[in-house]
Amino acid sequence: AQSVTQLDSHVSVSEGTPVLLRCNYSSSYSPSLFWYVQHPNKGLQLLLKYTSAATLVKGINGFEAEFKKSETSFHLTKPSAHMSDAAEYFCVVTLEGQTGANNLFFGTGTRLTVIP
Amino acid sequence: NAGVTQTPKFQVLKTGQSMTLQCAQDMNHNSMYWYRQDPGMGLRLIYYSASEGTTDKGEVPNGYNVSRLNKREFSLRLESAAPSQTSVYFCASSLGYGYTFGSGTRLTVV
Repeated sequence: AQSVTQLDSHVSVSEGTPVLLRCNYSSSYSPSLFWYVQHPNKGLQLLLKYTSAATLVKGINGFEAEFKKSETSFHLTKPSAHMSDAAEYFCVVTLEGQTGANNLFFGTGTRLTVIP
Repeated sequence: NAGVTQTPKFQVLKTGQSMTLQCAQDMNHNSMYWYRQDPGMGLRLIYYSASEGTTDKGEVPNGYNVSRLNKREFSLRLESAAPSQTSVYFCASSLGYGYTFGSGTRLTVV
């Protein structure tokens, strides 16, 4: 079975300080992993995705994530938070080789607050 | 602009009423999906269509029906709305692992 756990429901950082949003997954197969961002009352935007290529994945807006198979983790980081980063972030896992959405599993989300 | 378009953006229904949420994509994607988002629960898959002419149940299909009208359009129907269906509904489409989401429909059932 596949699932994803976001370890923090809410993270608060000061502007200019690093961001760490934690995600652990479980999968019977080699997973593909994504991070999506959702700004208030908006749809979901893809930040980055891992699909079995390089383990360090760079995304948009300065975000990156590292796939660590030994730790079953895919944490999202950014060196310096900006006010515009305040949003809800979702870690998503899907089954490699499958194209059906039945295998797309969303975490429950982490709300990032950025303090000026 | 290319993407996924959902209508309406907001809707209030009375218990027992029916309605159809519309979704259209112009990216020539094969697969389309309907999700619901509830506080603290992330997004959960209601139904999906891997290709034109096929539909399958997701995690929470009860109370919903879908129609894949053609490659572009995928509608979600609530035959008899219930307060438990109050949620934000997102349509998405994909080609391989590239998913694009619509901006959502906020539905309230009173």
